[in-house]
Amino acid sequence: AQSVTQPDIHITVSEGASLELRCNYSYGATPYLFWYVQSPGQGLQLLLKYFSGDTLVQGIKGFEAEFKRSQSSFNLRKPSVHWSDAAEYFCAVGGLFSGGYNKLIFGAGTRLAVHP
Amino acid sequence: KAGVTQTPRYLIKTRGQQVTLSCSPISGHRSVSWYQQTPGQGLQFLFEYFSETQRNKGNFPGRFSGRQFSNSRSEMNVSTLELGDSALYLCASSLTGTSGAADTQYFGPGTRLTVL
Repeated sequence: AQSVTQPDIHITVSEGASLELRCNYSYGATPYLFWYVQSPGQGLQLLLKYFSGDTLVQGIKGFEAEFKRSQSSFNLRKPSVHWSDAAEYFCAVGGLFSGGYNKLIFGAGTRLAVHP
Repeated sequence: KAGVTQTPRYLIKTRGQQVTLSCSPISGHRSVSWYQQTPGQGLQFLFEYFSETQRNKGNFPGRFSGRQFSNSRSEMNVSTLELGDSALYLCASSLTGTSGAADTQYFGPGTRLTVL
């Protein structure tokens, strides 16, 4: 079955440190890839997306992600984390490979804590 | 442009009751998807509607149903509530999902349902 894996349930970083959140997917071909962020008690906000083309995509709030086909990965990065980045981050795949255009399959999420 | 709105934001029900949740998509968006978020199961796809037709359905019992109106607003209904239905219910809207590429889904703030 198609799946999305976020290996890290919790990550703690110091403010100003760099960040990388991992995401791996299992599909036979390239899916459409997304990263969303969720603050406590809130809905999901789209950070960035990859459909095709340049494998390094830029998003909002200084985030970027790199699609690596050979590793079936779509890791999220930020060079310098701010305290306001503390939230839960979800990787998701969509498109035909998830069973339908508008069906997203989510990873379990990574909860990010930021130390001052 | 206004975002996705969901009403009510919070609900408390008792077992056996039924509940209706409402979602108003972003203006111009014709596709509405629903997701259930729980600590144990994470984010799971419920169903998707486009032009008043259910186009995609997740693996949930028949107690979960939905509909979409001609103005693209959507409702979901859960009958005979069970304790396990306590969750955050998220609605997402997108343009059409029929362009050959996955539309981006934009999420509302969610409805927090508590079943006692």
